[in-house]
Amino acid sequence: AQKVTQAQTEISVVEKEDVTLDCVYETRDTTYYLFWYKQPPSGELVFLIRRNSFDEQNEISGRYSWNFQKSTSSFNFTITASQVVDSAVYFCALSEAWGRGGSEKLVFGKGMKLTVNP
Amino acid sequence: GAVVSQHPSWVICKSGTSVKIECRSLDFQATTMFWYRQFPKQSLMLMATSNEGSKATYEQGVEKDKFLINHASLTLSTLTVTSAHPEDSSFYICSANPYDDNGGEQYFGPGTRLTVT
Repeated sequence: AQKVTQAQTEISVVEKEDVTLDCVYETRDTTYYLFWYKQPPSGELVFLIRRNSFDEQNEISGRYSWNFQKSTSSFNFTITASQVVDSAVYFCALSEAWGRGGSEKLVFGKGMKLTVNP
Repeated sequence: GAVVSQHPSWVICKSGTSVKIECRSLDFQATTMFWYRQFPKQSLMLMATSNEGSKATYEQGVEKDKFLINHASLTLSTLTVTSAHPEDSSFYICSANPYDDNGGEQYFGPGTRLTVT
């Protein structure tokens, strides 16, 4: 069965601090996708990144970076120089691969609430 | 980009009444849509997978007779909460994947906040 674990439930930092959000996953599939979503207080999920299991390259997008390590089944997310606008709940999610004739459901971690204080 | 809308964005209803929530893919077609429920300060839990032209697939523990799903077209899925009770109060979110996209990205609607009094 698939499982996503976000061990941290809540983190509070001061603006400009770096913060890393941990995500550990379990799956029996060799082909799968990993996602990060941001959910601000408005509730709407904001897509941040999708990574397939064959692509272990780390990615950087502005102040955001992701570290994917299959050896430890982790897909961690780092925000550099955090800002108040980064305050939100962040979800890591996992799905089995497509290509079998249809879409696959997402399994979400429990989420991590980040509060960035000015 | 792909846009998914939900209507209504929030609804308050009395216990015992039924509420219908619509999920529409505005600029793409989706053979599959997903319905999630999120209780306050909790994660998203998949309720069911909605398949166009066929019956929905419900997750274990979700009452199919209480949460009726209809996916009558490639751009519309509806979730009807029948005989709603206060414990059904939650944030309901739908998502859709373009039928010709094997890349795996799902597009989420803005959610519907249901309050049952």
